[in-house]
Amino acid sequence: QSVLTQPPSASGTPGQRVTISCSGSSSNIGSNYVYWYQQLPGTAPKLLIYRNNQRPSGVPDRFSGSKSGTSASLAISGLRSEDEADYYCAAWDDSLSAYVFGTGTKVTVL
Amino acid sequence: EVQLVESGGGLVQPGRSLRLSCAASGFTFDDYAMHWVRQAPGKGLEWVSGISWNSGSIGYADSVKGRFTISRDNAKNSLYLQMNSLRAEDTALYYCAKDGDTAMVGGAFDIWGQGTMVTVSS
Repeated sequence: QSVLTQPPSASGTPGQRVTISCSGSSSNIGSNYVYWYQQLPGTAPKLLIYRNNQRPSGVPDRFSGSKSGTSASLAISGLRSEDEADYYCAAWDDSLSAYVFGTGTKVTVL
Repeated sequence: EVQLVESGGGLVQPGRSLRLSCAASGFTFDDYAMHWVRQAPGKGLEWVSGISWNSGSIGYADSVKGRFTISRDNAKNSLYLQMNSLRAEDTALYYCAKDGDTAMVGGAFDIWGQGTMVTVSS
């Protein structure tokens, strides 16, 4: 079962800003880095954000991450059709001694 | 080019075993921890297991603990997952993923393979 909770879906029109939340606890988000992954249809996941708010090279600055307490969020500004994908948050959980993923959010561009 | 290529998946009966392999290239394999992550059909991502750069630290999800064994051969740039006592709920696409750090704990999965499908059914 997923320990990190995300909304199942989010949507917006091209150019809009979309925000995805990720709710955890003190043993995961509250005490460790948060990561975000993008999974385009039919493809492997791709690292989007690392260490809460850092972007790997090649990831557009339209994507940004933040963390506060036991929650984190991913923002996509200037939404584009190619952003249609599933997005997952993840963190190490000290209590479980395991990585935990969020439930996933499907982003639709209307 | 940095690449991970999984192999070894297939159809297997419940209770049987299967061994997955992941061949790494394009980076210094023994500088990084490695992981297995799976995704059941139509479902989300689930971390399965991780191993540090020197195999000194290993971890498993509770769902596979005692049944699966992760290992690596740095001389062969390869990662493995031995899966025993397979169950229908183990049916999933299994991804190999490179960690951005040497330790198994707390790093980013910065490179992913394309996955190998495991189907457990009689």
